[in-house]
Amino acid sequence: AQSVTQLDSQVPVFEEAPVELRCNYSSSVSVYLFWYVQYPNQGLQLLLKYLSGSTLVKGINGFEAEFNKSQTSFHLRKPSVHISDTAEYFCAVSDNNAGNMLTFGGGTRLMVKP
Amino acid sequence: DGGITQSPKYLFRKEGQNVTLSCEQNLNHDAMYWYRQDPGQGLRLIYYSQIVNDFQKGDIAEGYSVSREKKESFPLTVTSAQKNPTAFYLCASSTQGGIRTGELFFGEGSRLTVL
Repeated sequence: AQSVTQLDSQVPVFEEAPVELRCNYSSSVSVYLFWYVQYPNQGLQLLLKYLSGSTLVKGINGFEAEFNKSQTSFHLRKPSVHISDTAEYFCAVSDNNAGNMLTFGGGTRLMVKP
Repeated sequence: DGGITQSPKYLFRKEGQNVTLSCEQNLNHDAMYWYRQDPGQGLRLIYYSQIVNDFQKGDIAEGYSVSREKKESFPLTVTSAQKNPTAFYLCASSTQGGIRTGELFFGEGSRLTVL
């Protein structure tokens, strides 16, 4: 069965600093990978996705992620964060063995401080 | 604008009462889903439907029921059998392509509190 681990439940960072949110998954087959962002009391919004092709994926709001098959990772990065990036970030994975249903990680709360 | 509308946004319920959460989409998406979100636990799948008049149980279906009589609508009923119903409930939908890849579009959520 597939699973997703987000290694940090909270990440505090100062404004304009770089940030990396870590995500590791377990799956024995080809996967599709996603990062979603959730602002307080709102639904989830797709940040970026990896379906195939280039392993470096660029998303909205200046975020990017790199798919590393050998390390089964899909870490999210931003070179300079803004106060408005404060939110919860969810990594998710799907594969054919799971009927292409998304499995979510537990989430990482990014807290950007002035 | 196209999107997914969930109502009500906030709902309070007494123990022993059933409650129904509404989810409507005008995206012409084939598949719809219900997730439950608890702090620190990510999202867990309750039910999903890939076609009208058909739905499947997810990982935590006990104490919940759904119907899919119209493509646009996928209401969720939280029954009195659900032992810990206080949570944030998210409705989502996907295209045919999304059914293959897992990509989802989410509504704004409904927060249910049992008093």
